[in-house]
Order: sequence, then C-alpha cells, then structure tokens
Amino acid sequence: ILNVEQSPQSLHVQEGDSTNFTCSFPSSNFYALHWYRWETAKSPEALFVMTLNGDEKKKGRISATLNTKEGYSYLYIKGSQPEDSATYLCASRDNYGQNFVFGPGTRLSVLP
Amino acid sequence: ETGVTQTPRHLVMGMTNKKSLKCEQHLGHNAMYWYKQSAKKPLELMFVYSLEERVENNSVPSRFSPECPNSSHLFLHLHTLQPEDSALYLCASSQGQGLAIHEQFFGPGTRLTVL
Repeated sequence: ILNVEQSPQSLHVQEGDSTNFTCSFPSSNFYALHWYRWETAKSPEALFVMTLNGDEKKKGRISATLNTKEGYSYLYIKGSQPEDSATYLCASRDNYGQNFVFGPGTRLSVLP
Repeated sequence: ETGVTQTPRHLVMGMTNKKSLKCEQHLGHNAMYWYKQSAKKPLELMFVYSLEERVENNSVPSRFSPECPNSSHLFLHLHTLQPEDSALYLCASSQGQGLAIHEQFFGPGTRLTVL
C-alpha cells in the first residue's frame, strides 16, 4: 500500500509571505502525482498533475516541482493572500495502477 | 460549480436503513470515483469506474455497493451501515480511462451520519 506524507501538517503565514510545503511518496513504481486545494465548505480543486521527473508546473502564484527519484514534490506559493487559505492535498498513483493514495494535507492559513 | 453534482447533500440514516447517494457529471468525462473523508483521516478512494467498468475496489465493505449505469451517473448504495461509516462522501470525475491519469473534478459531497 502506498504511503503518502505531507509536511508540515499546518502552517500560518502573513499576507505577502512566500511559502512552500512538501509531499513525500514512494519513488519505486511511481506513475503520477496530483496536487489539490481544498477550501472550507467547497470541493477539492485540482492544481497540478505531474508525471515526469524534474517537471515544474505553474498556475498564477502557485508552482510545483517533482522529484520522482527521491520521492518528493514541493508546492510553492509566492506572495500569499488570504484567499490562499485552504488545505493542500497531494496524491500519488503507482505504476501498478491499483493504488491512488492521498496524503493527510497541509492546512495553510494566511493572516491579513 | 465544478460540473459534478451530488445528492443529497446531507443524510441521516439508521443502521437498518437502505439509502443511495447519487452523483452526476456534466463534463463528458469517462471515469468517475467515490471517495470517503472520515474525521482526521486522509481522503480515501473507494471505487473507480472507467467507461462504466469498475477498475478499482479498495477492499471496501460489501455494505457499500456502487453502480454506474452510464458514464454520467454514479450511485453508491448503502445498507446496514455502521456508525463508523459516518463521513463525507465525495464523488469525482476525470477524462481518460483508468485510474488517476488526469485531474479530477469533485462534487460538493454528501455528509452522512449513521445513528
């Protein structure tokens, strides 16, 4: 069974600060890594799907990198805004195609 | 509005009841998913249907029974549930075939309470 970990569990930053957090997953038989943002009282929203080692993706002020050889992905938020407050989830799928596992999430609070 | 709708949004049921959760996607996707979010636990994949065929079953108890009559609709039939089954049940859909190849679009969820 895949084990996906995220750190930190929660994070408080001031408006305007840049921040980043980590998703760790098994590097063997890696297939795909997903990032989602889940705001309170809303549905999870897809940010990125990444498959290639060294891949970097960007959407506005949010970007992500992927290292499949060492089994981690970083999510970066530049110039955090209060509307970025949410839980950020990552999920990993292995090459067997039988496992798609979410991490516990990083809860981000951006203080105005 | 993600293009994925779920009904009901809230459900309270007794352990002897039978109920069904409904999910509908208006995105033309080929794959649909059921997830369970229990308190203080990660989001857990329950079932996947791709092109109306089940491709994944994560050893979910048989008291949960999925049904996918076509690519736009997905049901989760519930019977003789236990209080520990109380959770938020989320439906999602994605393009393509197979498991988790493309980004998923989630519905608003059904908050289930089993008494």
